[in-house]
Amino acid sequence: NAGVTQTPKFRVLKTGQSMTLLCAQDMNHEYMYWYRQDPGMGLRLIHYSVGEGTTAKGEVPDGYNVSRLKKQNFLLGLESAAPSQTSVYFCATSIRVRGTSYNEQFFGPGTRLTVL
Amino acid sequence: DQQVKQNSPSLSVQEGRISILNCDYTNSMFDYFLWYKKYPAEGPTFLISISSIKDKNEDGRFTVFLNKSAKHLSLHIVPSQPGDSAVYFCAASPKTGANNLFFGTGTRLTVIP
Repeated sequence: NAGVTQTPKFRVLKTGQSMTLLCAQDMNHEYMYWYRQDPGMGLRLIHYSVGEGTTAKGEVPDGYNVSRLKKQNFLLGLESAAPSQTSVYFCATSIRVRGTSYNEQFFGPGTRLTVL
Repeated sequence: DQQVKQNSPSLSVQEGRISILNCDYTNSMFDYFLWYKKYPAEGPTFLISISSIKDKNEDGRFTVFLNKSAKHLSLHIVPSQPGDSAVYFCAASPKTGANNLFFGTGTRLTVIP
């Protein structure tokens, strides 16, 4: 099992260009998340999805769009990249929360994006 | 506004000694706390967690302590090993929501052989 994979691993964009980051999982998890990690900031949640066809905003959603057309894939889009979006992007998944239980998230290896 | 704080950016410990990593939080709605370990060029991996109804959880060399009144938790690693050298993130989740996590800024642990 591959677990959580992210494509691409690295990317350099010019300001104003667009791109899509792909997260794929083979663990059959219902929930998926996109985070960004910046120096000295920890990981911050951009968007998340609790199931196919549903998405919601996290802490820092501005400048990003997401789609979850298939359960196993979660796409993060940048329509017009800005230098402030230079970061490392992590995708994560977890199983459905039931009642008062909690389940940890499983992370992909990350995508390093530089916007010039 | 950082709701989860790790005030020590780095920590160095001799092999075999105890490593203590600290974390503070401000949101009283946080109900579940986790520690993640991260190596360079890899994603974070889950290490240990604790529910707010407990004050201690132990897993092998790793123990997490929670002091709800002080809004403080700590991770103890004993004995520390060189392979433990990594960045450790504290994270917290509120009672409601979709497992959303709020992360601290991380502490880089270096275990000196």
